[in-house]
Amino acid sequence: NAGVTQTPKFRILKIGQSMTLQCTQDMNHNYMYWYRQDPGMGLKLIYYSVGAGITDKGEVPNGYNVSRSTTEDFPLRLELAAPSQTSVYFCASRGLASHNEQFFGPGTRLTVL
Amino acid sequence: AQSVAQPEDQVNVAEGNPLTVKCTYSVSGNPYLFWYVQYPNRGLQFLLKYITGDNLVKGSYGFEAEFNKSQTSFHLKKPSALVSDSALYFCAVRDRADYKLSFGAGTTVTVRA
Repeated sequence: NAGVTQTPKFRILKIGQSMTLQCTQDMNHNYMYWYRQDPGMGLKLIYYSVGAGITDKGEVPNGYNVSRSTTEDFPLRLELAAPSQTSVYFCASRGLASHNEQFFGPGTRLTVL
Repeated sequence: AQSVAQPEDQVNVAEGNPLTVKCTYSVSGNPYLFWYVQYPNRGLQFLLKYITGDNLVKGSYGFEAEFNKSQTSFHLKKPSALVSDSALYFCAVRDRADYKLSFGAGTTVTVRA
């Protein structure tokens, strides 16, 4: 199993550009999550999904969109990138049992200039 | 609502000494509690979790944590720290009725040789 994979690893965007961060998991997990990590702030939840076709907002959803057309994939879309979106983005997934831990991808480091 | 506090930004210990990383939590219901570790430029790795039962939980790499319901704490411990334990540690909590995990801000552990 590859676990949770994310692409790209690094990206530099100009203000106003758009991009999609890809996330794929091969563990057949129902739940998937997108977080951003800023220094000293821990992880903040952007969006999450409880299954294909179902998504919901987390703590900091503004400026982002998601879709979940398959169990495996959970892409995060940034529209009109802003410097405030400079961060490290992590995707995670977990299995159905409520006590299961989340598995994290390696992250995408995004800089908006 | 649920939240986690990690009162120490940094913990410094000498190799071979005991290591403790503190965590307190707040949830309206019964919690699931987790510890994760993050090495530089990597994703988060699961260390251990509390579900129910024995208050002392053992996890990966010799780490353990003690659940204290009256003090709403879940401190991470290791009897003898290694230089390789130097990393960023996150405590996280989830109400059993919720899908979402809430993270603390993280504690940087430095173990000196």
